[in-house]
Amino acid sequence: KAGVTQTPRYLIKTRGQQVTLSCSPISGHRSVSWYQQTPGQGLQFLFEYFSETQRNKGNFPGRFSGRQFSNSRSEMNVSTLELGDSALYLCASSLGPTGQSYEQYFGPGTRLTVT
Amino acid sequence: KNEVEQSPQNLTAQEGEFITINCSYSVGISALHWLQQHPGGGIVSLFMLSSGKKKHGRLIATINIQEKHSSLHITASHPRDSAVYICAVRYVIQGAQKLVFGQGTRLTINP
Repeated sequence: KAGVTQTPRYLIKTRGQQVTLSCSPISGHRSVSWYQQTPGQGLQFLFEYFSETQRNKGNFPGRFSGRQFSNSRSEMNVSTLELGDSALYLCASSLGPTGQSYEQYFGPGTRLTVT
Repeated sequence: KNEVEQSPQNLTAQEGEFITINCSYSVGISALHWLQQHPGGGIVSLFMLSSGKKKHGRLIATINIQEKHSSLHITASHPRDSAVYICAVRYVIQGAQKLVFGQGTRLTINP
């Protein structure tokens, strides 16, 4: 079974631009969670989607948004990019909602650099 | 004070040594996760605990709910265990799930 895939793997954007990152979960998984990892703040939870509905959201500004499609693939969007948005963005998939103790499988991440 | 504190931040040991990484948290939790991150960024979920103890190969994770503390042990450590180990706690506040991560413990095992 293929693992979690994220595209693109690397991305360079300029301040003020917007970016869309994609995550394809493991086949059969219906939950996708997104995380941001920076050297200063470490790993932080962004949001979780299950069956096309956002279930949980972390403490990030409204510039960060996401969605999930009927095939469970998910996208996250960051608008009006700031230098501080430079980070590794990770997604993880699970069979069911993470609150119900399903194991998560992580993708390789997308490394976003904002200049 | 951070909700999740890990210790030590960095740990260097010789191959074969018994390793312990600690995680303390300050809130009532529904679950605690141990993650492993190798250089290059890939993350693997090692354990999810809500009570007691779990074992997988040379890895053992324990949790003491009353003391709000968890430990990750590695027996017969090997250079391939070199990675960052991250503790994360899941809890519910005002009906919403929250997931908070520790800063990680960087483990280096020398041959």
